[in-house]
Amino acid sequence: GNSVTQMEGPVTLSEEAFLTINCTYTATGYPSLFWYVQYPGEGLQLLLKATKADDKGSNKGFEATYRKETTSFHLEKGSVQVSDSAVYFCALSDPSSGGYQKVTFGIGTKLQVIP
Amino acid sequence: DGGITQSPKYLFRKEGQNVTLSCEQNLNHDAMYWYRQDPGQGLRLIYYSQIVNDFQKGDIAEGYSVSREKKESFPLTVTSAQKNPTAFYLCASTDWGDEQFFGPGTRLTVL
Repeated sequence: GNSVTQMEGPVTLSEEAFLTINCTYTATGYPSLFWYVQYPGEGLQLLLKATKADDKGSNKGFEATYRKETTSFHLEKGSVQVSDSAVYFCALSDPSSGGYQKVTFGIGTKLQVIP
Repeated sequence: DGGITQSPKYLFRKEGQNVTLSCEQNLNHDAMYWYRQDPGQGLRLIYYSQIVNDFQKGDIAEGYSVSREKKESFPLTVTSAQKNPTAFYLCASTDWGDEQFFGPGTRLTVL
């Protein structure tokens, strides 16, 4: 079956530091890949996505590139802010599920940014 | 503004009680989902519905039930058969695109 692997954290960084959160996946076929963000006490919001190999998703200074050869979708940001403190989920959707969009989520990585 | 609402935000249940969590969307989405979130386990799918009057079990459906009588509404009942119901519950919807839209969640605690 499909799976998504990411570290749980917490990842603690100082403001303006460089961020990398690793994400690797296993899937049949050609999934779409996502990063979602969850702020404390809230639901998830889509941060960025990529639908095919070598696509780069980007939003709010965050980037991730769909690497089929390494089955990875690592999240990066050049300079984090305190407001980026949240839990980040890597996810994939399986197009072979037909009309039903089955999404597999990683366990989430908690990011803490300190001033 | 379009979106998904969940109520209540916090819910307390006594042992042996059934409780129902509300999920409403005004995005005109066909598909709706219920997830359970526990620390260190990410999101696990409880039930999903692709269309009105139809729904399917997800990975952890035991002890839960749902209904889909209207396109906008997908309530989840946590029954007394669910042995460890304390968790954060998230409702989501999609219009067959890739992105899932999430509600703000309901935190259920068993007393």
